Amino acid sequence: EVQLVESGGGLVQPGGSLRLSCAASGFTFSSYSMNWVRQAPGKGPEWVSSISRSGSAIYYADSVKGRFTISRDNAKNSLYLQMNSLRDEDTAVYYCARDLKSGSSSWGQGTLVTVSS
Amino acid sequence: DVVMTQSPLSLPVTLGQPASISCRSSQSLVYSDGNTYLNWFQQRPGQSPRRLIYKVSNRDSGVPDRFSGSGSGTDFTLKISRVEAEDVGVYYCMQGTLLITFGQGTRLEIK
Repeated sequence: EVQLVESGGGLVQPGGSLRLSCAASGFTFSSYSMNWVRQAPGKGPEWVSSISRSGSAIYYADSVKGRFTISRDNAKNSLYLQMNSLRDEDTAVYYCARDLKSGSSSWGQGTLVTVSS
Repeated sequence: DVVMTQSPLSLPVTLGQPASISCRSSQSLVYSDGNTYLNWFQQRPGQSPRRLIYKVSNRDSGVPDRFSGSGSGTDFTLKISRVEAEDVGVYYCMQGTLLITFGQGTRLEIK
């Protein structure tokens, strides 16, 4: 069974940093591109970042470019999101997701990030 | 950026009746490989989004055949042939042709 389990969320002050992790199991992690998608309270999903299977191709939404960094460790079956210079508008549930575009899609349950003073 | 516009934003439907959601993109979603990366997601209350349809009309594994997708270019439609109680939730279209963008969502409720 495919499982994606996010962790690392919490309360952080504006300007602070957090590192999210996503532990993958039940499939060959290195064979899939991966994504981070966030959803602010009461809003629709917003794509944040994607990373290719090897990590050689990385893409970011304009809203996080220069502040967030996506990475992966295929040996540890893990996906990461380093978030710096956090703003109030970054408050959201952050989901790890596989195969958004085609293939076999799967999402985690999400981890809540709250940016507030 | 590609803007995805859904309509209606709210959709009250009687059980057993059909439902239809429209999604329009601000530019063609045909990619250079010939595929059109337009997907549909369902989000039930309190749950993560779940993909129903990928590349316009392909149903994901386990998705009931009452769900169907159609369209081309910039105009796409998700249809539910007979709405059931478990279909309540918010439906989102998503384009993956030029980065990734979601529509604003359509809330389906039982009338």
